[in-house]
Amino acid sequence: ETGVTQSPTHLIKTRGQQVTLRCSSQSGHNTVSWYQQALGQGPQFIFQYYREEENGRGNFPPRFSGLQFPNYSSELNVNALELDDSALYLCASSGGLAGNTGELFFGEGSRLTVL
Amino acid sequence: GESVGLHLPTLSVQEGDNSIINCAYSNSASDYFIWYKQESGKGPQFIIDIRSNMDKRQGQRVTVLLNKTVKHLSLQIAATQPGDSAVYFCAENSNDYKLSFGAGTTVTVRA
Repeated sequence: ETGVTQSPTHLIKTRGQQVTLRCSSQSGHNTVSWYQQALGQGPQFIFQYYREEENGRGNFPPRFSGLQFPNYSSELNVNALELDDSALYLCASSGGLAGNTGELFFGEGSRLTVL
Repeated sequence: GESVGLHLPTLSVQEGDNSIINCAYSNSASDYFIWYKQESGKGPQFIIDIRSNMDKRQGQRVTVLLNKTVKHLSLQIAATQPGDSAVYFCAENSNDYKLSFGAGTTVTVRA
């Protein structure tokens, strides 16, 4: 167990709806990254939050947004869901920026299905 | 652009044999590489990492080799066990905030 918890574990939405996924980082970790993992693919970086600020963003449209709270937990919000948004969404925490340590501690993920 | 890829999507290995998983990368600016293991229904788990100033690094039953000349990374697992069955990803870091993952190699251990 990594100490990173995500909720919900599974959810089903329809096209056009909005979804919020939640992540509690490992104790003491101030950096949270979100990744999207489509079936049979490697994780793709969405964005990273460091001390409540977005610290970097991958190639995802603005309808993917996030927040980090003072306790370092985080949310991923996706608006106007599309079928291709169906994936496993992974949250990873670390004690510093990704370049300083490879030990990203991943949660078990939230499996989103868009119908 | 940068990309990380694996040579083979699947690998079947006899229990007790050694496994070698290969990965090619294209971004010569990458200076940090990591191998992750992902079991079914779980998130990726850190196995071992290596920085670009090294050619080899060893852990418990695992060894990572880095060949910067041909931009190649490999993971060797000694005495493969049934618990090693999983998807293995190589990942690279070339800046401060993101890791780029390959598509993964599925390792199946035969009893």
